[in-house]
Amino acid sequence: EPEVTQTPSHQVTQMGQEVILRCVPISNHLYFYWYRQILGQKVEFLVSFYNNEISEKSEIFDDQFSVERPDGSNFTLKIRSTKLEDSAMYFCASNEVSGEPPNYGYTFGSGTRLTVV
Amino acid sequence: AQKVTQAQTEISVVEKEDVTLDCVYETRDTTYYLFWYKQPPSGELVFLIRRNSFDEQNEISGRYSWNFQKSTSSFNFTITASQVVDSAVYFCALSEAGNNAGNMLTFGGGTRLMVKP
Repeated sequence: EPEVTQTPSHQVTQMGQEVILRCVPISNHLYFYWYRQILGQKVEFLVSFYNNEISEKSEIFDDQFSVERPDGSNFTLKIRSTKLEDSAMYFCASNEVSGEPPNYGYTFGSGTRLTVV
Repeated sequence: AQKVTQAQTEISVVEKEDVTLDCVYETRDTTYYLFWYKQPPSGELVFLIRRNSFDEQNEISGRYSWNFQKSTSSFNFTITASQVVDSAVYFCALSEAGNNAGNMLTFGGGTRLMVKP
């Protein structure tokens, strides 16, 4: 079964450093997403990406965050200057959205646990 | 605005008991999608079910069943004859279709289910 792949599974970084979280969505999917889950809390939407641009973003997704699809297969989330409160599990997801009604093949990766120290 | 409420933050049962996890949602859209995900201690999000708003048929998959009632805006999840391996956090989520078929998921706060032997 097709998978969304995220690397690394765990990343530790110092406060103020830049981090890039990487994702390889399912190849025929068109919509890509990043979600965040602070330890013990609910999963929160960060940003969605379609046709090489951001289609929707939450208030969490401020100027410190950016997303990119650099080569047609990878989908990255960059945090420019990490803060302690950025420590969380970050999930990438991709979505097929085809057919009538849309076939929501909403699939999540296994996550990257980011620890900011 | 969309909202998902899982009033039960934690449930503890003994193996072989039946357990129902509640999910209540709010949306102004007439077309929407409801999901359940399982998050085991390893942290990944495991897809369980997706339901369209225009399909109110209940669904059964092995020991799992889902009761969708539009009249009460609820999408409850029942595990029959629970097992220790069912111990996890379960999230209910909602996606409004609107004009953007790739809309984000809004998650509930999750219910932690502990099944004791």
